[in-house]
Amino acid sequence: GESVGLHLPTLSVQEGDNSIINCAYSNSASDYFIWYKQESGKGPQFIIDIRSNMDKRQGQRVTVLLNKTVKHLSLQIAATQPGDSAVYFCAEKPNYSSASKIIFGSGTRLSIRP
Amino acid sequence: DTAVSQTPKYLVTQMGNDKSIKCEQNLGHDTMYWYKQDSKKFLKIMFSYNNKELIINETVPNRFSPKSPDKAHLNLHINSLELGDSAVYFCASSPRLAGGQETQYFGPGTRLLVL
Repeated sequence: GESVGLHLPTLSVQEGDNSIINCAYSNSASDYFIWYKQESGKGPQFIIDIRSNMDKRQGQRVTVLLNKTVKHLSLQIAATQPGDSAVYFCAEKPNYSSASKIIFGSGTRLSIRP
Repeated sequence: DTAVSQTPKYLVTQMGNDKSIKCEQNLGHDTMYWYKQDSKKFLKIMFSYNNKELIINETVPNRFSPKSPDKAHLNLHINSLELGDSAVYFCASSPRLAGGQETQYFGPGTRLLVL
């Protein structure tokens, strides 16, 4: 079956350090992946996405890495700031081109230590 | 402001009541969604509409009925509310369903508490 999971439910990081949030997926047919950030009391917000024909994509202070061999996805946040405190979700889509649903993982809470 | 908006933000009601949640997007998107987020933050899709047409209908009790009067609005009506319906309900929209246009923009959520 399909599943999107996270290795760690919570992650505590020192301010200024880099954060790495991991995600495992089981559907080898998935070819589109997205990371969302959800701050307290708000809806999820798109951060970055990656297609399965890539293994790395960079945004502003964020990098997503995709390892299809082991079905692993990670989100790296550089120089973590207090505003990065949130729950982070990875999500997968089985087929980039089709009108299929996006499946969300269970989320990782990132907390920042001053 | 361009956004996805939902009303009400909070909804407290008695078991057995019928209630509606409204959603509007002024982003010009074709596709809208309803998600349910439980107390453990798990987000699960309930419905998706594309240009007012139902595209995705997950295994949701038929007490939940979505209605899309136009592509900018997707409302959710819930009949005979049960305790287990307590959750945060998120509306979202995306330009399209596929082909790189499915980045979803979420509303602020409606916190439903059934007593």
